[in-house]
Amino acid sequence: DGGITQSPKYLFRKEGQNVTLSCEQNLNHDAMYWYRQDPGQGLRLIYYSQIVNDFQKGDIAEGYSVSREKKESFPLTVTSAQKNPTAFYLCASSSQPGLITDTQYFGPGTRLTVL
Amino acid sequence: DQQVKQNSPSLSVQEGRISILNCDYTNSMFDYFLWYKKYPAEGPTFLISISSIKDKNEDGRFTVFLNKSAKHLSLHIVPSQPGDSAVYFCAAREGSQGNLIFGKGTKLSVKP
Repeated sequence: DGGITQSPKYLFRKEGQNVTLSCEQNLNHDAMYWYRQDPGQGLRLIYYSQIVNDFQKGDIAEGYSVSREKKESFPLTVTSAQKNPTAFYLCASSSQPGLITDTQYFGPGTRLTVL
Repeated sequence: DQQVKQNSPSLSVQEGRISILNCDYTNSMFDYFLWYKKYPAEGPTFLISISSIKDKNEDGRFTVFLNKSAKHLSLHIVPSQPGDSAVYFCAAREGSQGNLIFGKGTKLSVKP
């Protein structure tokens, strides 16, 4: 059963701690993405990766870091430098990042709450 | 400044009637548009897309219309069903290397 998994569904952390959100896909997609959604807002791009061992900053990369050591995995670390980390985090993947018709498919999301 | 705008935060429609969700954009270089549907605490689900070379694309109950001169697109759902109740996001892309730019979403409520 192919898809994108994100774990955990809900995550709590204390202020000042780093936390890593998991994203795994078994769709054999080349590209992976991290978005953030805040209440009443659209999705904003944090980081993306089109191939293994390469990634690019999105619109709101400050306070976040990523790695892409394997094609199927794209973990996101929310560092203590992120000023407003409480949000809903969405991971996505796509198979044809160089085509205009490329469609992104999303995982179920992780709700991060900083206490 | 928002490049993709969904000016109606919410819309309420009776079951069986048509739902029309609107989206405006400011970047005339956008050439591909997508609609996603999102339930609370879940990831968005891809619904339908349209290229700027077309003015209409249809998939079952869902039809997207694009008016390039007005920089406006709309999603029509006919007939609307209670299960269509969700937040709908419009997204746009400029060229093959452009990132997706999302609107803030419209919450659709379909009442039985």
